[in-house]
Amino acid sequence: GQQLNQSPQSMFIQEGEDVSMNCTSSSIFNTWLWYKQDPGEGPVLLIALYKAGELTSNGRLTAQFGITRKDSFLNISASIPSDVGIYFCAGQPPMNYGGSQGNLIFGKGTKLSVKP
Amino acid sequence: DTEVTQTPKHLVMGMTNKKSLKCEQHMGHRAMYWYKQKAKKPPELMFVYSYEKLSINESVPSRFSPECPNSSLLNLHLHALQPEDSALYLCASSPRLVVDTQYFGPGTRLTVL
Repeated sequence: GQQLNQSPQSMFIQEGEDVSMNCTSSSIFNTWLWYKQDPGEGPVLLIALYKAGELTSNGRLTAQFGITRKDSFLNISASIPSDVGIYFCAGQPPMNYGGSQGNLIFGKGTKLSVKP
Repeated sequence: DTEVTQTPKHLVMGMTNKKSLKCEQHMGHRAMYWYKQKAKKPPELMFVYSYEKLSINESVPSRFSPECPNSSLLNLHLHALQPEDSALYLCASSPRLVVDTQYFGPGTRLTVL
């Protein structure tokens, strides 16, 4: 089945730093979604991308749908302590690429922590 | 309003108990989902309902039984669970089934003793 490679697995941030993470695949996707999850809570949607090349911002967050449809990145500018958590990318593959209706493929997550 | 609610927040049950998880959304979404999430892992899809009909069952054991009584409600009935079924159970909904954004609820933390 299709897989998403999300990197980095974890990173430490200092307040005020910019953060970047990405997801890549060997296959194409129709939709890219970015979620943030705090411990014991459900994932919260940050940004949804529907078209190749699309660049979308949500406050300090910016995400792009790669032009090849095989990748996406998420940038966080001027990080603050509440940015700590786990970020998941998720993509929906086309039906003729092994996707089934409603099936999201998730990356393994990027854990953001505060530098000690 | 993009809210999906789930009850209970926490559930502890024995292996012989029968319990149910509930999920509700009032956004008019016609697709609803159950996911299972283990610690430090991404959510794993269990079931998908589209227009109140079961659309996808990802080979989930029969001790998990989903039900969609109407377009706003989704239940997950639990019976004879195993300790390895302990996890965070997440409900999600989306306007439609194809190429649509899924919104997640806060989850039910299930512990099976």
